[in-house]
Amino acid sequence: AQSVSQHNHHVILSEAASLELGCNYSYGGTVNLFWYVQYPGQHLQLLLKYFSGDPLVKGIKGFEAEFIKSKFSFNLRKPSVQWSDTAEYFCAVKFTGGGNKLTFGTGTQLKVEL
Amino acid sequence: NAGVTQTPKFQVLKTGQSMTLQCAQDMNHNSMYWYRQDPGMGLRLIYYSASEGTTDKGEVPNGYNVSRLNKREFSLRLESAAPSQTSVYFCASSEQGALSYEQYFGPGTRLTVT
Repeated sequence: AQSVSQHNHHVILSEAASLELGCNYSYGGTVNLFWYVQYPGQHLQLLLKYFSGDPLVKGIKGFEAEFIKSKFSFNLRKPSVQWSDTAEYFCAVKFTGGGNKLTFGTGTQLKVEL
Repeated sequence: NAGVTQTPKFQVLKTGQSMTLQCAQDMNHNSMYWYRQDPGMGLRLIYYSASEGTTDKGEVPNGYNVSRLNKREFSLRLESAAPSQTSVYFCASSEQGALSYEQYFGPGTRLTVT
C-alpha cells in the first residue's frame, strides 16, 4: 500500500536552530508533494508544494523542501526557527492513480523554545 | 470569501446518539473530503467526493455516512456514535485536474463521545 512516513514525531529546538523534518513515501511513480502546518488550535495550512521542475521548493515563512526522487524523500528545512514556528507539520503525497486524494504522514510536533 | 466552513465547532455526544457534521465551501471546488485527526495518527480520510453526485470510501469509513448535497456542501453523519469516534474532524476541498491537488481545510469540529 502507498504510505507516507514521518519518522520524527516530536522535535524540540531552541530559537535560531536549524530545522530538518523528514518525509519519505513508498511509491516510485510520479508524485505531487506537500507540506502542511497546523498551528495550535488552528486548521491545516499549506506551507509549500512540489509538482515538477526544480526539486528545491521554497514556501512561506522561510521554509523550503527538497525532493530527492532516488530517496523517495521530501524533507522540510528552515535555517533558523522562531518560537512562532511551534506547530505540527504534516507531509502529504498525491500518488498517481489515486484521483485527487492525498495521503498524509502522521505528523511531527515541533516545539521551539525561547 | 470564507473558504471552507464547518459546523459545529464543538460537540459532545453520548454513545448511541446521532449527529451530522456540516461542511461548505465557496471556492467552486469539485472535490471535497472528510478526515479525522487523532494523536499520533495524522489525518485519515473517512470519505471523499470527487465531484457532485459521487462519494467514495476512504481509509476509515466504518460508522460514517456522507452526503454531497450540492457542489458547495458535503455532510458527514454518525448514525450511532461510539467513543472510538472521539476525534477532531476536518473537511477539505480541492479543484480537480493537474497542478490543482492542493486541499483547503476548514477549522475543524472537535467531537467527544462519552
